[in-house]
Amino acid sequence: DVKVTQSSRYLVKRTGEKVFLECVQDMDHENMFWYRQDPGLGLRLIYFSYDVKMKEKGDIPEGYSVSREKKERFSLILESASTNQTSMYLCASSLGGGRSGNTIYFGEGSWLTVV
Amino acid sequence: GQNIDQPTEMTATEGAIVQINCTYQTSGFNGLFWYQQHAGEAPTFLSYNVLDGLEEKGRFSSFLSRSKGYSYLLLKELQMKDSASYLCAGGYNKLIFGAGTRLAVHP
Repeated sequence: DVKVTQSSRYLVKRTGEKVFLECVQDMDHENMFWYRQDPGLGLRLIYFSYDVKMKEKGDIPEGYSVSREKKERFSLILESASTNQTSMYLCASSLGGGRSGNTIYFGEGSWLTVV
Repeated sequence: GQNIDQPTEMTATEGAIVQINCTYQTSGFNGLFWYQQHAGEAPTFLSYNVLDGLEEKGRFSSFLSRSKGYSYLLLKELQMKDSASYLCAGGYNKLIFGAGTRLAVHP
C-alpha cells in the first residue's frame, strides 16, 4: 500500500510565524503535490514537484514555497503565516509516467489554524 | 483552460442507486478520476477511466465519454457509510479537482 505521511495533523500558529509542513512518501513516487482544501472551493493545487529539486507552481502559489531535497520528502513552507492561510493542507504523491501513473494518493491532511 | 463541474449536493435513500455527474474541460487529458472523501478525512481513490465506457468495481461504477467531456459515478445498493463527498478529477501531469458532490444517504 502507498503510504503518504504528513508530520502534523493539527497546528495552531500565530500570524507572521514561519510554518513548515512536512510530507514523506514511501513508494518511490516521482511526483509530489501540495493542495489546500477549503469549504466550497474544493482542492486547489499550491505547488507540485516531478523530481528532486524541481518544482512548479500550481493554481495558488502566493504566500507559499516548497522544498524537495530528497525524492521521498516534500515540504511546504509558509514564510509568514496569515489568517487567510487557515485551511486543511493535503500532501499527495503519484508514480508518474502518465495514464494510471497519475493516480494520486493522499496523506491524512494537516489542519492549520493561523490566529 | 481547465474546468471541472459537478453538482454541489445530492441526497438518496439507503438501498437506492445514485448517479453523480461530472463535466470537464482540460487542456490535456490523461484519464478521469473519482475520489471519495469522508468528512474530516483525506480523499481516497475510487476509480480511473481513460477509455470511453463503463468500468465496474463492485457497487461502484464509473463511466466516461471523452467526446462529450462527461463522466459519471454510479453507486448501487447505497449504504449509510456512502455518505461522503465525491470528487471528480482530471488533467495531464497534474490533477485538477472539481469542488466535490456532497452525498447524503438517508434511511
